[in-house]
Amino acid sequence: DAKTTQPPSMDCAEGRAANLPCNHSTISGNEYVYWYRQIHSQGPQYIIHGLKNNETNEMASLIITEDRKSSTLILPHATLRDTAVYYCIAIVIQGAQKLVFGQGTRLTINP
Amino acid sequence: NAGVTQTPKFQVLKTGQSMTLQCAQDMNHEYMSWYRQDPGMGLRLIHYSVGAGITDQGEVPNGYNVSRSTTEDFPLRLLSAAPSQTSVYFCASSYYREPYNEQFFGPGTRLTVL
Repeated sequence: DAKTTQPPSMDCAEGRAANLPCNHSTISGNEYVYWYRQIHSQGPQYIIHGLKNNETNEMASLIITEDRKSSTLILPHATLRDTAVYYCIAIVIQGAQKLVFGQGTRLTINP
Repeated sequence: NAGVTQTPKFQVLKTGQSMTLQCAQDMNHEYMSWYRQDPGMGLRLIHYSVGAGITDQGEVPNGYNVSRSTTEDFPLRLLSAAPSQTSVYFCASSYYREPYNEQFFGPGTRLTVL
């Protein structure tokens, strides 16, 4: 699975869009980009995933560059409850998904 | 649906003691896995299972045993606890077929080994 690189921490004001970058320059053609987050000490929570097209769901949007070497998770209107560690993971979608969690980005939403 | 449940929430063991961490899911997921998370670190995969009767090792399997006799349950056994196993343990489950394989995580078991 491709290695991903994320900034260790970011801040965002409440109500603004939070844009979390992720580099995955060695991603292969059959690897998807997944985002999970971990709020405080809870179990991780799935957010969104994509292959090469931009994706949107009720939680977030995922923008993947055309060359697939990087992506951005967008939380459109961040709230205090979005304060969490966000993990970007590149993984093949078929079969057993052995997730490899790096250090992630600690996102702090400020009032 | 209760989702993924884990028991106990907290546990303190002495070195050399054994115990079983319980994990259950009611979503009929084929795939289940165990992760550990040390302070300030990401999660690391211990063992996983793609169905009843099938288990395999993850990144850090030493000191842990698993079995999968039913679809619903995936217990993690510590045979002889060591202080290095002090960690938070998360169980996860998902479908095994694309694209419905987002993983659902339990609330975790916080284990301290003295």
